[in-house]
Amino acid sequence: DQQVKQNSPSLSVQEGRISILNCDYTNSMFDYFLWYKKYPAEGPTFLISISSIKDKNEDGRFTVFLNKSAKHLSLHIVPSQPGDSAVYFCAVYPGAGSYQLTFGKGTKLSVIP
Amino acid sequence: DADVTQTPRNRITKTGKRIMLECSQTKGHDRMYWYRQDPGLGLRLIYYSFDVKDINKGEISDGYSVSRQAQAKFSLSLESAIPNQTALYFCATSDVGQGATGELFFGEGSRLTVL
Repeated sequence: DQQVKQNSPSLSVQEGRISILNCDYTNSMFDYFLWYKKYPAEGPTFLISISSIKDKNEDGRFTVFLNKSAKHLSLHIVPSQPGDSAVYFCAVYPGAGSYQLTFGKGTKLSVIP
Repeated sequence: DADVTQTPRNRITKTGKRIMLECSQTKGHDRMYWYRQDPGLGLRLIYYSFDVKDINKGEISDGYSVSRQAQAKFSLSLESAIPNQTALYFCATSDVGQGATGELFFGEGSRLTVL
C-alpha cells in the first residue's frame, strides 16, 4: 500500500500563474512533510518542508499547506516560472528514530512561457 | 565540488556482469542511503546505513548488496546484473542530529543500463 500518493503524473501551467501540486498520505503519525524538486540529469534537491504541528510554511514563491484532517499536502508556486519546470516529489518522514523518507511517485510540472 | 559524489555517472553493462556504484560524501553525515528511480515509480529505497557497522535493507534490496567502507563512503553492488535493474541510482545522506527533519542530500545519480 502506498503511504504517499501523488495522483497527478503531470501538470502544465502558464508562466505567471499559480501551480498547485498535491499529495495525499495515509499515516496520521508522520512528523515532517517535505517537497523535493528534480531536474533531468540531476539529483533531487530539497525545496521546502513543514512540521506536522503547522498548517502552512512559506519560502518566497513556494508555500506548502498541510491539512491533517484530510491527510493532504499541497505545494503552491506563485508566480510560476519556466525554471520551475521539473519533477516534484513529496515525501514523508515519521520523525526521530525513523530511518527513511517515503516518496511519492512524483508530478512533472511544465511551466509554459 | 559536490557534497555527495557518485561514480560512475553512466554505465552500460551486460546481463550477468558484476557492477559497483560508488558514493562518497563530504557533509560529515552518519546516515547514507541508496535509492533507485524508475519512471512512474518515484524513488525507492534499496539499502541504508546509520554508521559503518550498521547496514539495513530497504524495500527493494533483492539483487543488491552494499558496503560501508568508511563514514564517507557507501558502495552499491549488483552481483549479477539483469535488465530490470536498468534504472537511475541515487546515493543520499542525512543528518541524524537533533532537529533533523529527515532532509536528504542527494548525489547527481548514476544511470545504469543492463543489456
